[in-house]
Amino acid sequence: GAGVSQSPRYKVAKRGQDVALRCDPISGHVSLFWYQQALGQGPEFLTYFQNEAQLDKSGLPSDRFFAERPEGSVSTLKIQRTQQEDSAVYLCASSFNRDREYEQYFGPGTRLTVT
Amino acid sequence: AQKITQTQPGMFVQEKEAVTLDCTYDTSDQSYGLFWYKQPSSGEMIFLIYQGSYDEQNATEGRYSLNFQKARKSANLVISASQLGDSAMYFCAMRAAGGFKTIFGAGTRLFVKA
Repeated sequence: GAGVSQSPRYKVAKRGQDVALRCDPISGHVSLFWYQQALGQGPEFLTYFQNEAQLDKSGLPSDRFFAERPEGSVSTLKIQRTQQEDSAVYLCASSFNRDREYEQYFGPGTRLTVT
Repeated sequence: AQKITQTQPGMFVQEKEAVTLDCTYDTSDQSYGLFWYKQPSSGEMIFLIYQGSYDEQNATEGRYSLNFQKARKSANLVISASQLGDSAMYFCAMRAAGGFKTIFGAGTRLFVKA
């Protein structure tokens, strides 16, 4: 398909485990965003990539969260030593370039549950 | 700091009628963009409409229009001729021009009645 894909769709982790969430943006999209959406809330910005450069990571809640996009396409969000408060849906979005960043295409999200 | 406020947790509208979803914002930036997204129960966010702070005309996209009142710092979404498929969560969002961080409101759940 031509949309943004994310995997896994669902992840259950025991407290203290490390997890890795994958995002495949639309081919050719320069900009990539990660968001965290708690139940019943709007998405909260985590980090932004322009190609492989991480230009804003101000929304990452702690140093347990790490994101990368080494070749400017696929991105991975890693959470170390997961805590219960990390339970949320993690959304990835991409946009064509800076001029059209208002039009973000979102993936279906990864629902992370930490037990 | 930027903030988006959506004061309507839930709204009901009769099919084929118009509905307005409220959004107010706070920012010290002079140039910024305002957006609306729809999130159906499937979870995937769908971009609806964009308004730049310096755009003189209100944005329109099909049945969606954005009622932008800069002095009041409001950016309400108007959906005309509601359809059953419009039932979803709607989020208002903003970003400073040149910035990367998009701020979302808490959302309004719209229910369209047949």
